[in-house]
Amino acid sequence: EDKVVQSPLSLVVHEGDTVTLNCSYEVTNFRSLLWYKQEKKAPTFLFMLTSSGIEKKSGRLSSILDKKELFSILNITATQTGDSAVYLCAVVRGNTGKLIFGQGTTLQVKP
Amino acid sequence: TAGITQAPTSQILAAGRSMTLRCTQDMRHNAMYWYRQDLGLGLRLIHYSNTAGTTGKGEVPDGYSVSRANTDDFPLTLASAVPSQTSVYFCASSDQAGVGDQPQHFGDGTRLSIL
Repeated sequence: EDKVVQSPLSLVVHEGDTVTLNCSYEVTNFRSLLWYKQEKKAPTFLFMLTSSGIEKKSGRLSSILDKKELFSILNITATQTGDSAVYLCAVVRGNTGKLIFGQGTTLQVKP
Repeated sequence: TAGITQAPTSQILAAGRSMTLRCTQDMRHNAMYWYRQDLGLGLRLIHYSNTAGTTGKGEVPDGYSVSRANTDDFPLTLASAVPSQTSVYFCASSDQAGVGDQPQHFGDGTRLSIL
């Protein structure tokens, strides 16, 4: 059975800390892995990863994929209270476009 | 830019009643999707459509139906609602259906409570 597992499920840090969120997967015919940030409403797209070892970066956020070990990490440096959200990892299976989501990691950044 | 519009934003519904959740996108995306999000379970795919005129079943399709008469609209219908269908429902769309290389973009969701 295909599955995507995120860890930790929740995390509390203080502003300025660096955090690493984990996503492991077992998915038939892996195509790509996506990270989303969900605040109060719609998940918003952060990164799409298809190749191992190539870091994607956007400001203080970065992500990398390891297709041999079947995991990805999302790093956030110098965290701010605005980074508080649920971070979702999802894997695209085959060429169907269908996403398999992990449970999400709830990040709380305290002032 | 509007992107994906879902309606209503929230609804309380008596068990046994029918309900249609609306989803409209203005990005001319080929593919559209319906998910439900439940605490501890993440987002799960209900139904999808790779192009107008076609639909397919996702992970949790029972009790739901969809139609895709045109590119922009993808309504989700609960024919006879049950309490276990209480959830937050998200509609999403993506370009280049079937390739899997374009991210899905999500609407703001509909919070549905079945009593």
